[in-house]
Amino acid sequence: AQRVTQPEKLLSVFKGAPVELKCNYSYSGSPELFWYVQYSRQRLQLLLRHISRESIKGFTADLNKGETSFHLKKPFAQEEDSAMYYCALSSNTGKLIFGQGTTLQVKP
Amino acid sequence: KAGVTQTPRYLIKTRGQQVTLSCSPISGHRSVSWYQQTPGQGLQFLFEYFSETQRNKGNFPGRFSGRQFSNSRSEMNVSTLELGDSALYLCASSPRGQGGVGELFFGEGSRLTVL
Repeated sequence: AQRVTQPEKLLSVFKGAPVELKCNYSYSGSPELFWYVQYSRQRLQLLLRHISRESIKGFTADLNKGETSFHLKKPFAQEEDSAMYYCALSSNTGKLIFGQGTTLQVKP
Repeated sequence: KAGVTQTPRYLIKTRGQQVTLSCSPISGHRSVSWYQQTPGQGLQFLFEYFSETQRNKGNFPGRFSGRQFSNSRSEMNVSTLELGDSALYLCASSPRGQGGVGELFFGEGSRLTVL
């Protein structure tokens, strides 16, 4: 079964602390993985995708096929990073499957 | 390019009524997906259309239906509304054709309240 799991509903850190948002997936085949972000009162938008291996707003995510994980990391959290983060997997049948989401709260 | 546009943005209905939501994708995007977003369940996939054909359907009852027109605009319909249908309904479009949808571009959503 194709599934995305984000074990933490809420992650609360202080400004300047490192952040790691966990994502595990279940997929038979080569997955295409994404992180989406939804800031308060804004539409859901793409943050980054694993195939581009880029850093966006200081965030990076590495695909670990052995552990079937795609954790999102940032070395120093900023208050403007506070948002809801969704990990997502694109199946080859035209469906984007989302995890339950993790709310990141960065305290001053 | 204009983003994904959804109408109406807000609506209130009563149990037993039906509702139609509309979505205009980004120009040139032929894939349109619909999601239901609730605090308890997160983002639940409803269906995806490509070139007027439904390619995928999520685990929702038959009261939920959709269609896509030749200009890629899409509508979804919910009949016999229940209180549990209250949610934010998100539409998203993708430029990709075959081999999965890849990146999705989301609209702001239609917030449905069922009383």
